[in-house]
Amino acid sequence: EIVLTQSPGTLSLSPGERATLSCRASQSVSSSYLAWYQQKPGQAPRLLIYGASSRATGIPDRFSGSGSGTDFTLTISRLEPEDSAVFYCQQYVTLPWTFGQGTRVEIK
Amino acid sequence: QLQLQESGPGLVKPSETLSLTCTVSGASVTSDSYYWGWIRQPPGKGLEWIVTVYYTGSTYYNPSLKSRVTKSLDTSKNQFSLKLSSVTAADTAVYYCARQTMVRGVGDGPFDSWGQGTLVTVSS
Repeated sequence: EIVLTQSPGTLSLSPGERATLSCRASQSVSSSYLAWYQQKPGQAPRLLIYGASSRATGIPDRFSGSGSGTDFTLTISRLEPEDSAVFYCQQYVTLPWTFGQGTRVEIK
Repeated sequence: QLQLQESGPGLVKPSETLSLTCTVSGASVTSDSYYWGWIRQPPGKGLEWIVTVYYTGSTYYNPSLKSRVTKSLDTSKNQFSLKLSSVTAADTAVYYCARQTMVRGVGDGPFDSWGQGTLVTVSS
């Protein structure tokens, strides 16, 4: 099973700042098979990024993904108050599909 | 507009079977472009994928749960279902149904649409 480790656990930033979230895999993940989700309190996760760097439909361009191999990054270029959420990475290259433990982004 | 809605009992006794149904509107569960999956989230914790099904019967299971999972798909009602047997308190979670895309022509893509989730509590 591929274990995904996300860091940091919590990120506390001000509106307008840049957020950088990390997802590290226990073994190589082809870049076509890594996704990022955003989950706000009481809501279902929402797909943000797939294929490591492609934005899902309707996702603002301030969200971007990058990386390859075992190291992936989600960047939020200019934080807005509504970006407060937990963000999860997920791999879908090897069964079982697995998720990281999440990074919480707090807006000051 | 695609919508997925989970339904089922919110309380299940230990050792019994948890049964949930996902009703899909705005798309067909017999679409050859998508698979359909179940994911759960214990309170305050992360996400765990359970199972993914295709209308042909093709199925992918999480090995950690496979022995207790039964899946089905009702094309006449445009629904798919999950049964999890011999539940314990560790199975208490919000259960989500979701649509899964394909990358290699199989159910190996991201989950692009999710239901709102339903909390199932295992307690006597």
